[in-house]
Amino acid sequence: ETGVTQTPRHLVMGMTNKKSLKCEQHLGHNAMYWYKQSAKKPLELMFVYSLEERVENNSVPSRFSPECPNSSHLFLHLHTLQPEDSALYLCASSQGQGATEAFFGQGTRLTVV
Amino acid sequence: GESVGLHLPTLSVQEGDNSIINCAYSNSASDYFIWYKQESGKGPQFIIDIRSNMDKRQGQRVTVLLNKTVKHLSLQIAATQPGDSAVYFCAETFGGQGGKLIFGQGTELSVKP
Repeated sequence: ETGVTQTPRHLVMGMTNKKSLKCEQHLGHNAMYWYKQSAKKPLELMFVYSLEERVENNSVPSRFSPECPNSSHLFLHLHTLQPEDSALYLCASSQGQGATEAFFGQGTRLTVV
Repeated sequence: GESVGLHLPTLSVQEGDNSIINCAYSNSASDYFIWYKQESGKGPQFIIDIRSNMDKRQGQRVTVLLNKTVKHLSLQIAATQPGDSAVYFCAETFGGQGGKLIFGQGTELSVKP
């Protein structure tokens, strides 16, 4: 285990559903990230939170809504998704945004039907 | 746009041989590079990193080489083992933003017994 825990591991949802992905880090880090990993594509950065404030939204559609209530938890709220949003969603954390490595969770495999 | 790319999508090696995985990056301002290993069903796992003021760094059975002149990064795995089978990603960042990573496509390493 890397110290970053994501739940659920798998999620199937309809296009009209609302669901949330959860990430928790036990590393004492103060920066957290959401990445999307689609098949045959590189990981794509979605959101960056530093000290619980969103510092970057990488042109992500509004049907994805992040929330960071404290430095240990990060959520990704999902609503009215499209089938092309099916992917592996990865959470990561790092100590600040400085040049130290990011640690990833296991990811949530999302399927939109 | 700027991106990090990998030369080969797949690499097959014999158990016990050395493996070399290559990566090209395009942003000359990048100052921090990381290699990640991703096994099936898991999130990326940190292997080794290198800063732009270095040209070589060694870990346990792994070595990363950085050639800033040609913007080339490589990962060498000594005495490759079946457990090394995975997809390997290089990632770059700049401006001290360790978690805001730009990932390459990935190279799938297969180790033959």
